[in-house]
Amino acid sequence: GAVVSQHPSRVICKSGTSVKIECRSLDFQATTMFWYRQFPKKSLMLMATSNEGSKATYEQGVEKDKFLINHASLTLSTLTVTSAHPEDSSFYICSARDAVGNSPLHFGNGTRLTVT
Amino acid sequence: GENVEQHPSTLSVQEGDSAVIKCTYSDSASNYFPWYKQELGKRPQLIIDIRSNVGEKKDQRIAVTLNKTAKHFSLHITETQPEDSAVYFCAASNLNSGTYKYIFGTGTRLKVLA
Repeated sequence: GAVVSQHPSRVICKSGTSVKIECRSLDFQATTMFWYRQFPKKSLMLMATSNEGSKATYEQGVEKDKFLINHASLTLSTLTVTSAHPEDSSFYICSARDAVGNSPLHFGNGTRLTVT
Repeated sequence: GENVEQHPSTLSVQEGDSAVIKCTYSDSASNYFPWYKQELGKRPQLIIDIRSNVGEKKDQRIAVTLNKTAKHFSLHITETQPEDSAVYFCAASNLNSGTYKYIFGTGTRLKVLA
């Protein structure tokens, strides 16, 4: 089945630094990837839609300058949390769908970000 | 805007009993409804999905029903087992929109008591 790999799984960083999270589709091409944020015991909040070769589409209330998204190829999207602060600590999950047909979303393993 | 409501937020059942989780969506253009299971600290996994041209779909102990008129869809798990314990999320999407966005429900924490 379709596999989405997300790296790193855990990261601890100091306040003010930037963190990059990678999301790869391993056995399919994904023209569209999605980035979600999940708070403890809460639902998946869509942050942005990452489109290969074009700018990402951000959901209302999500700062595009804070959460930089780059979808440089059909198999890779990156999310960079810039100038991270403790309130950015969360579980970030990417998802992707095969560009062929109406296939479902497949999720990465998620990245737990802790900003100290 | 688009919204998916999910109930209950927590559900405890005895092993062997059935569990039912209900979702209501607001966007009448939604035509695809997947259900995901997420174990603690892990990725959500698709367990079953249904399209709007079908009223019911079953896969072993799991079934999903859809009422397009009422904009309701439900997940049914029969003969529950302890390994069914997890958080379940419903979602709604419009596959014709070109965006493939999923709007997720708020989740249901299911506990199956042995």
